[in-house]
Amino acid sequence: NAGVTQTPKFQVLKTGQSMTLQCAQDMNHEYMSWYRQDPGMGLRLIHYSVGAGITDQGEVPNGYNVSRSTTEDFPLRLLSAAPSQTSVYFCASSKLAGGGNEQYFGPGTRLTVT
Amino acid sequence: DAKTTQPTSMDCAEGRAANLPCNHSTISGNEYVYWYRQIHSQGPQYIIHGLKNNETNEMASLIITEDRKSSTLILPHATLRDTAVYYCIVRFSSGSARQLTFGSGTQLTVLP
Repeated sequence: NAGVTQTPKFQVLKTGQSMTLQCAQDMNHEYMSWYRQDPGMGLRLIHYSVGAGITDQGEVPNGYNVSRSTTEDFPLRLLSAAPSQTSVYFCASSKLAGGGNEQYFGPGTRLTVT
Repeated sequence: DAKTTQPTSMDCAEGRAANLPCNHSTISGNEYVYWYRQIHSQGPQYIIHGLKNNETNEMASLIITEDRKSSTLILPHATLRDTAVYYCIVRFSSGSARQLTFGSGTQLTVLP
């Protein structure tokens, strides 16, 4: 299994541009989520999904959209990039949403918005 | 989810056991204790979790006190590759379990 994969690894955007961060998992996990991590800080939840066709907002959803058309993929869209969105983005998945299920994280996408 | 308290940093000699403490005095009966680590800006890595009993896997052991108000992660033979930030997290066992709340964690430095 490849686990959780993310593309691209690095991205530089200009203010106002849009882009999609890709996330895929091959473990048939129902639960997927997106986090951002700012320097020296913990992870903050952006959006999550408990299954195909179901998404919900996390702690910091503004400026981001998600969709879950398949079990495997959970892309994160930046609608109009802002410098405040400069961060490292991690995608994670777990078999189910409950607390007894460990989450597996991707390697991250390092985004800089100028 | 219950709040956790961890030391900011710890050192450990290579080959020795690393014992990382965590206080979670407000934990409720249906909350798991999880440990993750993050090596140099990589994605967090799951280590181990437990509810009431002590747990062991190929990476580590988790010791939970009888009153469940604190726990210790034990890396039995620390190597230089174990240098990382270690996060102790508590999560409800059911419900939407929307997120893992990562606090500041403990920076473990394994010294040669």
